[in-house]
Amino acid sequence: GQSLEQPSEVTAVEGAIVQINCTYQTSGFYGLSWYQQHDGGAPTFLSYNALDGLEETGRFSSFLSRSDSYGYLLLQELQMKDSASYFCAYSDNYGQNFVFGPGTRLSVLP
Amino acid sequence: DSGVTQTPKHLITATGQRVTLRCSPRSGDLSVYWYQQSLDQGLQFLIQYYNGEERAKGNILERFSAQQFPDLHSELNLSSLELGDSALYFCASSDMDGETQYFGPGTRLLVL
Repeated sequence: GQSLEQPSEVTAVEGAIVQINCTYQTSGFYGLSWYQQHDGGAPTFLSYNALDGLEETGRFSSFLSRSDSYGYLLLQELQMKDSASYFCAYSDNYGQNFVFGPGTRLSVLP
Repeated sequence: DSGVTQTPKHLITATGQRVTLRCSPRSGDLSVYWYQQSLDQGLQFLIQYYNGEERAKGNILERFSAQQFPDLHSELNLSSLELGDSALYFCASSDMDGETQYFGPGTRLLVL
């Protein structure tokens, strides 16, 4: 079947580094995406990994290991505004049929 | 602002009724995706259209249907509404590969 697993909640303090893990199980896989969603808001795209390795975009980095069916989102220099839900997602058929994980709620404490 | 617009923002209706949600994609994007998000739940992919043609179907109920028009806007029709259909409905658009999806603000549907 198709599935993604993420921790339901993560808590960290301002200025810290936090890693949100995502494991997936699927027969077809084209890459792993990450989205951020603030309460009451729409998801916004953060990053995409098609190949193994680390992609860095400012304070956010994302990693993928296809052999381990595993990825993570790394958030550095945490800020209060980073408190949100974070979803990993994949497509099991190029550009089609996207599957989102259950989301990880990040709380950043002062 | 993602460039994707959705109307209406809020919708309150009764069980058994039918509603239509509308989405206009970002300029230049040919793909439109519809998602349902229930309270404190993840995003459930419903259906995708590409340049007017249905491209992929997810967990969309038979009571729900969608279409994409020649001007690329899309409509999601929900009929015989049930209490459990109350949710946020998001539309997203992308270029062909869907690696980056731009989400609209959503339509909050409440079925009473």
